[in-house]
Amino acid sequence: GAGVSQSPSNKVTEKGKDVELRCDPISGHTALYWYRQSLGQGLEFLIYFQGNSAPDKSGLPSDRFSAERTGGSVSTLTIQRTQQEDSAVYLCASSLLRTDNSPLHFGNGTRLTVT
Amino acid sequence: QKEVEQDPGPLSVPEGAIVSLNCTYSNSAFQYFMWYRQYSRKGPELLMYTYSSGNKEDGRFTAQVDKSSKYISLFIRDSQPSDSATYLCAATGTASKLTFGTGTRLQVTL
Repeated sequence: GAGVSQSPSNKVTEKGKDVELRCDPISGHTALYWYRQSLGQGLEFLIYFQGNSAPDKSGLPSDRFSAERTGGSVSTLTIQRTQQEDSAVYLCASSLLRTDNSPLHFGNGTRLTVT
Repeated sequence: QKEVEQDPGPLSVPEGAIVSLNCTYSNSAFQYFMWYRQYSRKGPELLMYTYSSGNKEDGRFTAQVDKSSKYISLFIRDSQPSDSATYLCAATGTASKLTFGTGTRLQVTL
């Protein structure tokens, strides 16, 4: 594939509903990251997957947030019982290896609005 | 205090100007430093990365890192309207996730 693909590009949901955000990383990239970007807050790390290793979930803000990566490729970020403060752009990135100089390639994000 | 601090701007300059974008960081373990450019409603794209202190040049862009003062800079020469975007600095250490600044919004005017 050409790059990291995220869907949907926009999502409007009512407070209290669950949402699923999808990420298709670049083929062959073993590392996958989820970040959240809020206005004036920069990019906030959420979770990271590397191959078959246990994911680094240290950035997930609450137990309403979870993520899976199936077959080492596609990832889904799930937010349960959404709150208005969950409104943000959710960005997925992948890299070839989880090394410190392996650049992250970002998708265009999913813009989530919780009403 | 955030680990990576960046002035959010906005910064407005005329076409052709030299632009200086800066960040400071607090974590001494950071060794890799990156600059990403983000256009509106797009994901960030990697512009430059440097390891430890020093300079790196790529076309009109120069990245500088001064580890002694924990200061990161990006210079853009002969700025163009197409350079108008948000610029994000980022840093990481030997076993840590990428930490981003909040981004500086740059507007290059005709």
